[in-house]
Amino acid sequence: EAGVAQSPRYKIIEKRQSVAFWCNPISGHATLYWYQQILGQGPKLLIQFQNNGVVDDSQLPKDRFSAERLKGVDSTLKIQPAKLEDSAVYLCASSRGGRFQETQYFGPGTRLLVL
Amino acid sequence: SQQGEEDPQALSIQEGENATMNCSYKTSINNLQWYRQNSGRGLVHLILIRSNEREKHSGRLRVTLDTSKKSSSLLITASRAADTASYFCATDGANSKLTFGKGITLSVRP
Repeated sequence: EAGVAQSPRYKIIEKRQSVAFWCNPISGHATLYWYQQILGQGPKLLIQFQNNGVVDDSQLPKDRFSAERLKGVDSTLKIQPAKLEDSAVYLCASSRGGRFQETQYFGPGTRLLVL
Repeated sequence: SQQGEEDPQALSIQEGENATMNCSYKTSINNLQWYRQNSGRGLVHLILIRSNEREKHSGRLRVTLDTSKKSSSLLITASRAADTASYFCATDGANSKLTFGKGITLSVRP
């Protein structure tokens, strides 16, 4: 079974530029999550999708961050415009959904540096 | 906000020794999970313990949960150099939303 795929693995941009991250979850997983992990901290949930609907985006800075999950499979997370404090690792995870939702499978992450 | 708080923040042991890591949380949970993160990589799920369970084993891992004290511990027995990583506890509340702690850095010296 292929794992969660993310791209790019690394990205360096200047502040006020825009950036997009892509995630392909494990096949058949209904739930998809985007996390932000700042150096030295644990992951913080940004947004959770169930199929192509948003379940929780309470911690997503909606003035600059947006995410979509078209057709309930792949997802993209966009930052526009980026700030210095957005430097972090962005992790995508997926889970089966329903009562098997508990275990989340994480991708390798995208390391973003904003200069 | 981070619900789980791990203790200690860093732990250094000799290969073959046991490593014990603790996690405390604040609100009621459905389950508590432990994850491992190797340097520069994604998180790997280790073990899940439900709120009605007190102890669970998986290979060299033993996790306990005390809901009255709102705390959990993860024991890794007979540690190996490959166990060197960061370990996170995560509490599962409403909507299967995981809330992670800041993590414990474990170093296992060969």
